[in-house]
Amino acid sequence: GENVEQHPSTLSVQEGDSAVIKCTYSDSASNYFPWYKQELGKRPQLIIDIRSNVGEKKDQRIAVTLNKTAKHFSLHITETQPEDSAVYFCAAREGGSYIPTFGRGTSLIVHP
Amino acid sequence: KAGVTQTPRYLIKTRGQQVTLSCSPISGHRSVSWYQQTPGQGLQFLFEYFSETQRNKGNFPGRFSGRQFSNSRSEMNVSTLELGDSALYLCASIGAGNTEAFFGQGTRLTVV
Repeated sequence: GENVEQHPSTLSVQEGDSAVIKCTYSDSASNYFPWYKQELGKRPQLIIDIRSNVGEKKDQRIAVTLNKTAKHFSLHITETQPEDSAVYFCAAREGGSYIPTFGRGTSLIVHP
Repeated sequence: KAGVTQTPRYLIKTRGQQVTLSCSPISGHRSVSWYQQTPGQGLQFLFEYFSETQRNKGNFPGRFSGRQFSNSRSEMNVSTLELGDSALYLCASIGAGNTEAFFGQGTRLTVV
């Protein structure tokens, strides 16, 4: 089955800095890569996703890049703000499945 | 459109007891998945139900079981509770042709 590794487990940055979270996956059949944000005490919510036919996708301050050859993808957050503080999960999903496999999460702390 | 609803929000049980958690998916969504979330372990997949059938199963012992009803509502049951079962249990629903998994608020289970 799919295995997703996520690093780092904790990331501490100053407000205004950029943050990068990296993930690798094992199943070359995976073709959908969502990122979820979970604020303290709340449910995980989708913030951005990318499909395997695209190398990069941006949405305001967040962007995701995908390298299919190397089987890794990354989340980039620019100009971080305190409200970006949360746990971020990457995931990978094989085309025929409804079930994403999640990484262990990255706790992002943005210091004002 | 109502979101994914989980009940109860909090539960305290004693070792050896059993517990049943409920999840009502978004109307029209037929796939319901369950996840166990513990600190440092991320979102671990328990099982997925689709049209009242268990379609996928994660690596959890047989004490963890589930079912889905004709209205797509799902329940999960944990028998003979152990201290290590203390966790946040999340369910997620996915609609046909939709890639996003919508999560409920979760049920926080504490085993004492």
